[in-house]
Formats: sequence, structure tokens, C-alpha cells
Amino acid sequence: EPEVTQTPSHQVTQMGQEVILRCVPISNHLYFYWYRQILGQKVEFLVSFYNNEISEKSEIFDDQFSVERPDGSNFTLKIRSTKLEDSAMYFCASSAGVQPQHFGDGTRLSIL
Amino acid sequence: DAKTTQPPSMDCAEGRAANLPCNHSTISGNEYVYWYRQIHSQGPQYIIHGLKNNETNEMASLIITEDRKSSTLILPHATLRDTAVYYCIVRVSNDYKLSFGAGTTVTVRA
Repeated sequence: EPEVTQTPSHQVTQMGQEVILRCVPISNHLYFYWYRQILGQKVEFLVSFYNNEISEKSEIFDDQFSVERPDGSNFTLKIRSTKLEDSAMYFCASSAGVQPQHFGDGTRLSIL
Repeated sequence: DAKTTQPPSMDCAEGRAANLPCNHSTISGNEYVYWYRQIHSQGPQYIIHGLKNNETNEMASLIITEDRKSSTLILPHATLRDTAVYYCIVRVSNDYKLSFGAGTTVTVRA
């Protein structure tokens, strides 16, 4: 069964540094998403992306965040200047239209 | 702004059916009911969704009441690997995002 894959599984970064989280969505999916989950809290929507542009974003997704589909297979989330409160699990998801979203197993981001 | 209400936790015996309730009394006509689960340290996993008819797939069955104000996810023969947090989510058909609540922590016991 096709899967969403995310790399790395764990990223440790110094506060203030830039970090890029990578995702390979399911190959025939055209809609891509990022969510995050702070330890012990709910899964929160960050952003959705379709046709090379952001479709919707939450209040969390401020100017420090950006997304990109640099080629035909990868989907990335960049945090420009990380803060301690950015420490969380980041999940990538993809879907074929408004069909169910399928999630990867996440990247654990630890900001020191 | 939670649109669904779920019990915080429930236990289930291995091999028995697990019936997970969800209330969504303010659901609109164009909103679907989705169920996901999250096994510890993994990403959310899609289980099933429906609009108004009952649905069944290889993982579970979804029973939606006639007035659509509540639903029940049924895991027919729970196994230890079904221990997870289960999320009931109401989603408009043309909305991109999923809004997760706290879900129900289901513990399957041998």
C-alpha cells in the first residue's frame, strides 16, 4: 500500500537556526498538508497546498513558515528561525482531492 | 470550537467488539464524519468516513444515526494492536483541513 514518507525521523536544531522537514507524498495525490502535534496536545493543522500554492493556512503558520514542492515528488516545510516552542511532531499528509488524507509517521523536531 | 464530543477513554477486551461513540449534534448537511486513529508515536491513520449511510470496510464499521447527530465506530474484533487514540472528526466536503480534538483513548486488554 502506498505510503507518505517523512525524513528525518528526528531533527535536533539550535534555536534560531533554519530547519527543513521533508515529505514524499503518495505519488498520484495532488493535495498536500502539514500538521503538528506538541507533546501531549492535539494534532493541529498548519497548511494545505495544491497546484503549487497554499490553499489554506492556520494562525500558527506565520511568516517563519514556508512550504514548497521543489520537484515532482518532494514536499517541504521550512521554519526560518526556530524557537523553543516549535518543538513538536510534524506530520505530512496527502490526498487525492477531498478524499481521505493519509499521514506519514512524522518528524520529531527538538529545538535546543 | 469542537464539533464533536467523545468519551476521553474506554477499555475493551481482546476479541470483543469495540463500540466508540461520537456526538456531533451541530453537524450540517454537507459535513462528513471521519474517523482516524493514532497509535503511539505514529501519524494519524485513516479508518473510515461517511455522510449519512452506514459504511463498512476492512477495518471497521461506521453507524450514523438517522438524524446524523451521533455516530458509532465499531471495531468488530479488537486486538491489542488496536490500542490507540481514536478521533471522530466532522469535515465539510470542500474543506481542506482536519480539525482534531482530544479523541478517545482506547485500551484493548488481553
